[in-house]
Amino acid sequence: SQQGEEDPQALSIQEGENATMNCSYKTSINNLQWYRQNSGRGLVHLILIRSNEREKHSGRLRVTLDTSKKSSSLLITASRAADTASYFCAENAGGTSYGKLTFGQGTILTVHP
Amino acid sequence: GAVVSQHPSWVICKSGTSVKIECRSLDFQATTMFWYRQFPKQSLMLMATSNEGSKATYEQGVEKDKFLINHASLTLSTLTVTSAHPEDSSFYICSAPGGRGNYGYTFGSGTRLTVV
Repeated sequence: SQQGEEDPQALSIQEGENATMNCSYKTSINNLQWYRQNSGRGLVHLILIRSNEREKHSGRLRVTLDTSKKSSSLLITASRAADTASYFCAENAGGTSYGKLTFGQGTILTVHP
Repeated sequence: GAVVSQHPSWVICKSGTSVKIECRSLDFQATTMFWYRQFPKQSLMLMATSNEGSKATYEQGVEKDKFLINHASLTLSTLTVTSAHPEDSSFYICSAPGGRGNYGYTFGSGTRLTVV
């Protein structure tokens, strides 16, 4: 299965700074989702953006979607050491909201206290 | 909130033996369960999709006779790795759509399988 690309592959910042991660995908999507994974753990759903939406906010998270460029970005503002984790975008290209997800390669975020 | 309980969290087995991984949806019905494997520092690769009461759909390149999936009820899906070999060592994660608002998916906590 094809996978999207995320950049950067790794990001290291100081606490309080903003972190931006980008994701590109290849197909037409129903929605695109962002997940967080702490080392050796399962994934936690962060935010979902539908194909007809351009921007979405949830707490310190801001997600944008550009369907013409097939890209999305996740911004974490005022980062904390506890935000250290891997972040994945996942495209749902199915005809329904609950289709199978194809994950990007992920960005490893390290936030230094 | 919605939870998918996955067990065991880690298992070590000898080559040639079989290992069963269970995923139970708590507080919601999981008519569909997705099974992924993840190698260290890599992304998740979808292995198969199981639907309650029917045969699983496997992704290209995944051996259905090696990775047996059963989804006998609306709250339980199992993955059995048969005749495990060291190359099957990986992190296996299940995921069920729904159980959350806004169409998010709920993931199990993963199973670290080591075949020696």
